[in-house]
Amino acid sequence: DVKVTQSSRYLVKRTGEKVFLECVQDMDHENMFWYRQDPGLGLRLIYFSYDVKMKEKGDIPEGYSVSREKKERFSLILESASTNQTSMYLCASSSTGPNTEAFFGQGTRLTVV
Amino acid sequence: GESVGLHLPTLSVQEGDNSIINCAYSNSASDYFIWYKQESGKGPQFIIDIRSNMDKRQGQRVTVLLNKTVKHLSLQIAATQPGDSAVYFCAEIRSGFGPGTSLSVIP
Repeated sequence: DVKVTQSSRYLVKRTGEKVFLECVQDMDHENMFWYRQDPGLGLRLIYFSYDVKMKEKGDIPEGYSVSREKKERFSLILESASTNQTSMYLCASSSTGPNTEAFFGQGTRLTVV
Repeated sequence: GESVGLHLPTLSVQEGDNSIINCAYSNSASDYFIWYKQESGKGPQFIIDIRSNMDKRQGQRVTVLLNKTVKHLSLQIAATQPGDSAVYFCAEIRSGFGPGTSLSVIP
């Protein structure tokens, strides 16, 4: 059974804290993605990575950074958390090639107070 | 940037009726589309996909239609059931997702 695992389901952090969201996939996928999901705005791409140590900005990268030191792990970092980063964060992975279906984790609901 | 979006935010259908959920995209170079279903409290799950060299693809109770001329996709669910109640997204992974259509099935 394929699996994308996000380290936390719920997180509460204080404004200004550095926050790490971890994502691990067990499918040997090349591509990994971080999205945030907000009511009325759908899923918006923050960053994606198509290989170890490679990353590209998505639509809304401001205030975030990422790290991909190993193929199976993709971390999203909030350098200094702000209340407007309160959201549901979803990690996904996919393989390159003809069928690029993305598999999603369960999501991390982050609240910044 | 390029976008993938949905026409209607909500849809209510009677149990047993067919549902049609629509999606528009703007990037004419898009060549692979996926429909996802997201139930409350869960991450999105794959339903069906279609490549741009096809105009129709069928799964179990679901059909996706692709009209490249007007850059439009639709997802048809036959004999809608209460378990189909969810938010549905169309996506091309790098172009993004629209806000989703919330499907409610009336028993």
